[in-house]
Amino acid sequence: ETGVTQSPTHLIKTRGQQVTLRCSSQSGHNTVSWYQQALGQGPQFIFQYYREEENGRGNFPPRFSGLQFPNYSSELNVNALELDDSALYLCASSLNVAGGYTFGSGTRLTVV
Amino acid sequence: EDQVTQSPEALRLQEGESSSLNCSYTVSGLRGLFWYRQDPGKGPEFLFTLYSAGEEKEKERLKATLTKKESFLHITAPKPEDSATYLCAVQAAGGYQKVTFGIGTKLQVIP
Repeated sequence: ETGVTQSPTHLIKTRGQQVTLRCSSQSGHNTVSWYQQALGQGPQFIFQYYREEENGRGNFPPRFSGLQFPNYSSELNVNALELDDSALYLCASSLNVAGGYTFGSGTRLTVV
Repeated sequence: EDQVTQSPEALRLQEGESSSLNCSYTVSGLRGLFWYRQDPGKGPEFLFTLYSAGEEKEKERLKATLTKKESFLHITAPKPEDSATYLCAVQAAGGYQKVTFGIGTKLQVIP
């Protein structure tokens, strides 16, 4: 049974650029959630996808967008990057919308 | 708005010195309360889910308990490998299933 895998592991981008982060869900999991974790803080909910549709969103602007594919893998896209977007981005999958998540190791994004 | 407050923010223990971490929460109808362990630069690792007041779960040196307003993570005779940040999170019933995290307790166990 594979876990949740994220790519890339580290990324450096310039302010104003766009970035795409990728996530492969744990086998059999149909729900994926994305979280942003700033240094020294707990993860903050960005949005959740269930069966390819967004079914919940946290307090993040529209320049944060996502996709879930038929194989339940997912992408997080961030446009017009700002310095404050520098954080660890975590993908988490679960079998359904309730219950504990399995997290990936995250993508460390640095915006300069 | 769901809220999770964890205390203390940091805890330093001698190996073998038992202690407890606290998680206070407010949520409009609790679906579940979760405990995770997070090592530096890694994603959180799932430990426990608690669903109702009075419930307890154990795993090795860890025991999680739940009341209507708080959860405790008891660490018995900790070892240096237990050093990590422990995150508490709640999921509300109904609607989409957002999970709200606290900022965590950073535990250091000294040999």
